[in-house]
Amino acid sequence: GNSVTQMEGPVTLSEEAFLTINCTYTATGYPSLFWYVQYPGEGLQLLLKATKADDKGSNKGFEATYRKETTSFHLEKGSVQVSDSAVYFCALRQIQGAQKLVFGQGTRLTINP
Amino acid sequence: DSGVTQTPKHLITATGQRVTLRCSPRSGDLSVYWYQQSLDQGLQFLIQYYNGEERAKGNILERFSAQQFPDLHSELNLSSLELGDSALYFCASSGPSGRTGELFFGEGSRLTVL
Repeated sequence: GNSVTQMEGPVTLSEEAFLTINCTYTATGYPSLFWYVQYPGEGLQLLLKATKADDKGSNKGFEATYRKETTSFHLEKGSVQVSDSAVYFCALRQIQGAQKLVFGQGTRLTINP
Repeated sequence: DSGVTQTPKHLITATGQRVTLRCSPRSGDLSVYWYQQSLDQGLQFLIQYYNGEERAKGNILERFSAQQFPDLHSELNLSSLELGDSALYFCASSGPSGRTGELFFGEGSRLTVL
């Protein structure tokens, strides 16, 4: 079945550090790929998405590129801020059936000043 | 604000009891999804409705049931509650964009079973 694997957390960085959160997926066909963010005490918000191979999603300084050859969608940011502290979820939306979102396990990110 | 409304935000109840969680999707969205978020299981898909009809089932227990009403709001019913049902329950809705569209999530209902 379809699945998403994220790098395990928690991840702790200093402000202005470079961030990478790895995400790989297994799916039939060509799913859409998403990164969602969950700030403390809140629901999930879409951070960025890519709907086909080689697409790059970007938002708030975060980027991720849909790599079909490596089945990956790694999240990157060049200079993180304390306000980026949150839990990040990689997800795919399958093209068949219910088209539900399948999530990775989430990566908790803490940025220290 | 995602436009998805969930009530109640917090709920504390005892084992064996029954609760109902309510979700109002974004205006115009026909699909509603329910997810359970627990510490050890991550985000698990429970069930999806589309325009009043059940579309897909995930890891939903037989003690749990859901429905979507003609006005498109949805309810998730949890019965014979156990300690392990304590979790954050999210509702999400989506529009007609199909697989390329995002799901919009509510803020969740936190259920504590004592």
